[in-house]
Amino acid sequence: GESVGLHLPTLSVQEGDNSIINCAYSNSASDYFIWYKQESGKGPQFIIDIRSNMDKRQGQRVTVLLNKTVKHLSLQIAATQPGDSAVYFCAEIVSGSARQLTFGSGTQLTVLP
Amino acid sequence: NAGVTQTPKFRILKIGQSMTLQCAQDMNHNYMYWYRQDPGMGLKLIYYSVGAGITDKGEVPNGYNVSRSTTEDFPLRLELAAPSQTSVYFCASRGTGGPGANVLTFGAGSRLTVL
Repeated sequence: GESVGLHLPTLSVQEGDNSIINCAYSNSASDYFIWYKQESGKGPQFIIDIRSNMDKRQGQRVTVLLNKTVKHLSLQIAATQPGDSAVYFCAEIVSGSARQLTFGSGTQLTVLP
Repeated sequence: NAGVTQTPKFRILKIGQSMTLQCAQDMNHNYMYWYRQDPGMGLKLIYYSVGAGITDKGEVPNGYNVSRSTTEDFPLRLELAAPSQTSVYFCASRGTGGPGANVLTFGAGSRLTVL
């Protein structure tokens, strides 16, 4: 079935470098996307969201890019810090689906000293 | 505000036992959800509720039941626990309308092991 998926299960970056986490989706009816961060032993925490009528949205040290042509979104983290080490999930909401979120399998980001 | 509170945090069950995972939110959110997360995987929706007295099945409802008698509480019942139900369970809620209406607030999770 159609669902959100991630390109890479793990990503290691040096502290201070920028991180890019990718996510592919296949449902063209998806109209809203959210990135969540999940630290070990904790529940997912909202990072940033983007609507399908946008291409880019920026937050504090994070940017989400949405390419609807290829059904791809990415999360960019600037100047990655040790506290950024976590699993990152993208989630989508399909228009007309009672606003349920469908989650991808996640990317484990490890920040190296 | 406490947000979304789940109890217990950890529980070990024997095969065939039953138990209820509790979830409460103090944000007056209409929507509440139960997800399960298996190791190295994303979250799968078990059940959800759009308001008191209304519940509906998600992607993986078999073996579970829910009720929503109040806006605040959304307990998840496991009947006849099976090893396949070993997982971490997350409750979440969201409001309706306004900025952030699509954003779920999650509890800290309940880790269940069925032996």
